[in-house]
Amino acid sequence: QVQLQESGPGLVKPSQTLSLTCTVSGGSINIGAYWWSWIRQYPGKGLEWLGYIYYSGSTYYNPSLEGRVTISMDTSKNQISLKLTSVTAADTAVYYCARESASNCFDPWGQGTLVTVSS
Amino acid sequence: DIQMTQSPSSLSASVGDRVTITCRAGQSISRYLNWYQQKPGKAPKVVVYSASSLQSGVPSRFSGSGSGTDFTLTITNLQPEDFATYYCQQSYSLPRTFGQGTKVEIK
Repeated sequence: QVQLQESGPGLVKPSQTLSLTCTVSGGSINIGAYWWSWIRQYPGKGLEWLGYIYYSGSTYYNPSLEGRVTISMDTSKNQISLKLTSVTAADTAVYYCARESASNCFDPWGQGTLVTVSS
Repeated sequence: DIQMTQSPSSLSASVGDRVTITCRAGQSISRYLNWYQQKPGKAPKVVVYSASSLQSGVPSRFSGSGSGTDFTLTITNLQPEDFATYYCQQSYSLPRTFGQGTKVEIK
């Protein structure tokens, strides 16, 4: 059974870069048919999809982030990473990683990690 | 981006009730519509995918229907563990987008 777990700093200063890692266990990220996504949930509960990476390394990012986001993968560590630059308080959220399969739904999800942007 | 609009934003119901949540897409998304259940402090969990397919392990009191722009999630015989927030999400196109959520509360 595949499990995902996010990790990274819980506090980031404004204008700095938010960096998170998603460690996948119970299965390899380096196989086809899966896209690995980052999703965030604002304190008001709205959900925003940030982007995904395919096992081949190809990526797609939400245009709303205006080029601030990068998603990468480290197959040797079975990890997916997220970098979000020039953060502001508006980037405060719980960040989730999730897998999208051929059924085109997000399953499973990590447990999420709260990132607060504050000086 | 495809806008997803849920209604109602919240509802109160009793154990044993039948509950219906509606999701409307801003354009046709065929049947590329998923429903998630989220409980406080937990990640969302898929309950219905592809508009009407029940995720493995999800009780049969959950059902989904619809195609095109209008979709519904129905919970019959509401159980205490069903009180949660439900989100719809389209997987028809990128970027993926979610509805704003419907909170199902105990009456």
